[in-house]
Amino acid sequence: EVQLVESGGGLEQPGRSLKLSCAASGFTFTNYYMTWVRQAPKKGLEWVATISTSGSRTYFPDSVRGRFTISRDNAQSSLFLQMNSLKSEDTATYYCTRQGLPGYNDWFAFWGQGTLVTVSS
Amino acid sequence: DIQMTQSPPSLSAYLGDRVTITCQASQNIDKYIGWYQQKPGKPPRLLIRFTSRLESGIPTRFSGSGSGRDYSFSISNVESEDIASYYCLQYVKLPHTFGPGTKVELK
Repeated sequence: EVQLVESGGGLEQPGRSLKLSCAASGFTFTNYYMTWVRQAPKKGLEWVATISTSGSRTYFPDSVRGRFTISRDNAQSSLFLQMNSLKSEDTATYYCTRQGLPGYNDWFAFWGQGTLVTVSS
Repeated sequence: DIQMTQSPPSLSAYLGDRVTITCQASQNIDKYIGWYQQKPGKPPRLLIRFTSRLESGIPTRFSGSGSGRDYSFSISNVESEDIASYYCLQYVKLPHTFGPGTKVELK
């Protein structure tokens, strides 16, 4: 059974940093692209970052590019999101997701339960 | 970026009704669309990928169709457990983009 468990959320001040983690199990982690998706309170879903299987390629939307970094530790089956220069609009639940097919940057097949990040002074 | 226009934003249905949600992409997405269900306080759940392919364990009352820019998602014989928000996702090219969602409620 695929399991994705996020951690690291919490309350942080604007301009500060926060690092999210995702522990993956139930599949061969090294074979899949991984992605972070977020959802602001009472709002829709927004793609935040994607990383290739080896970690050599990363992708971000304009809203977070230059502030967020995605990384992975394939030996530990873990995914990370380093969030710097936080803004109030980064307040959201952050979901760790796994893509559908091995080696492909396709749909978001499996989702964790999410971790809430609140950016406020 | 590809924009996904989803409608309606909300709808009310009786148990047993058939409901349909549409998503229109700002350009051809070659059937690379998925549909998700989200209940309050829960993560989204993938129901359909590649326009019409039902995920394992998903009831057959859920279905999808479409091509080019225009896609639809239907629930036949709505059940109480189907009360949720539904989102489309295009994944033909980055940035992967979601529709704004449709909230399905009971009449």
